[in-house]
Amino acid sequence: DTEVTQTPKHLVMGMTNKKSLKCEQHMGHRAMYWYKQKAKKPPELMFVYSYEKLSINESVPSRFSPECPNSSLLNLHLHALQPEDSALYLCASRPGTGGNYEQYFGPGTRLTVT
Amino acid sequence: GQSLEQPSEVTAVEGAIVQINCTYQTSGFYGLSWYQQHDGGAPTFLSYNALDGLEETGRFSSFLSRSDSYGYLLLQELQMKDSASYFCAVPAGGGNKLTFGTGTQLKVEL
Repeated sequence: DTEVTQTPKHLVMGMTNKKSLKCEQHMGHRAMYWYKQKAKKPPELMFVYSYEKLSINESVPSRFSPECPNSSLLNLHLHALQPEDSALYLCASRPGTGGNYEQYFGPGTRLTVT
Repeated sequence: GQSLEQPSEVTAVEGAIVQINCTYQTSGFYGLSWYQQHDGGAPTFLSYNALDGLEETGRFSSFLSRSDSYGYLLLQELQMKDSASYFCAVPAGGGNKLTFGTGTQLKVEL
């Protein structure tokens, strides 16, 4: 199994809602990532988990809360989002060792905040 | 910090050869990666150059010159399905994260 899966594919939420995005990989990768991507822009790193511990938070607002329940799962909890948070949210994973920097991306969740 | 610059858009005809350039400024350099992303899709890994020179993988080749802080992706025998965005990227933060270039949208025309 060489894929990263993400659910849901699409999500529409109001500014007062709480929702969660889910990411799963079964490749035994030990590093997992959340990115935010706006149209016509490169992915912007949000969080990195390494061996199930949060290792990088790129100064992301607290309305985004990541969680790594186990080595295969990564969640992103959303609360009190703003319309400008509407974007494609991508999850990725990497083996996490040595000089293999290749990241495997999931198909993303298209989020619309109304 | 890290910055990677690419042309915003390139247009070419089917069957042609196209080169997408990437110039970078980084503190600490491990190598240069390339990713392809179709509209609405996930970025997919194409290549990684750690050393100077040309790496070939089928119709795609990638080149790196560390002394010039420059690399490029070469696409040969262009096909319509190659229409996509292409991003160069460098490992950063001790290799724990990727910093992406500005991205190049490639349009292949008949």
